[in-house]
Amino acid sequence: KQEVTQIPAALSVPEGENLVLNCSFTDSAIYNLQWFRQDPGKGLTSLLLIQSSQREQTSGRLNASLDKSSGRSTLYIAASQPGDSATYLCAVDNAGNMLTFGGGTRLMVKP
Amino acid sequence: DTEVTQTPKHLVMGMTNKKSLKCEQHMGHRAMYWYKQKAKKPPELMFVYSYEKLSINESVPSRFSPECPNSSLLNLHLHALQPEDSALYLCASSQVQVGYEQYFGPGTRLTVT
Repeated sequence: KQEVTQIPAALSVPEGENLVLNCSFTDSAIYNLQWFRQDPGKGLTSLLLIQSSQREQTSGRLNASLDKSSGRSTLYIAASQPGDSATYLCAVDNAGNMLTFGGGTRLMVKP
Repeated sequence: DTEVTQTPKHLVMGMTNKKSLKCEQHMGHRAMYWYKQKAKKPPELMFVYSYEKLSINESVPSRFSPECPNSSLLNLHLHALQPEDSALYLCASSQVQVGYEQYFGPGTRLTVT
């Protein structure tokens, strides 16, 4: 059974810092990995999707990498802003459109 | 348009009530999903519909009854729920083919009293 772990569980940084969120998974036979953002009490916003054949994806200040063989992905956020404060979730699809989520990283960016 | 809409936003129901949650998308997606999310936990998959047919039921109790009346609409019928069923219920949609993003709605916050 796929298990997805996110470290750290919580992170507080001053505005402007570059930061890295980590995601690891136990079964490397995945179709893709998706990073989401969730604001308190809200739905999930898709940030980046990395196919199993890809090594990274970029969108604005966000860059996600994937090392399938080692079961790891990282989400890099450049020049963090208070508006980036949210919970970040990674989710792995290894059964065809069935996502297994990590526990999330709660990020707070202080002004 | 990458929007998934869900109604109602909030729902409070007693254990003997019958209610329904509604989800709609107009992206032409033929796969639709229900997830349950408890506070400070990640979402957990409940059901998957593919081409309007139920393809996955993750051992969900029968007091939750999904329905997909057409390719744009997904319902979740609720009956005789328990207080521990209180949660955020999220709907998502995607292309049926593997490898596409799932798009999530804002969720329905359900409280069972």
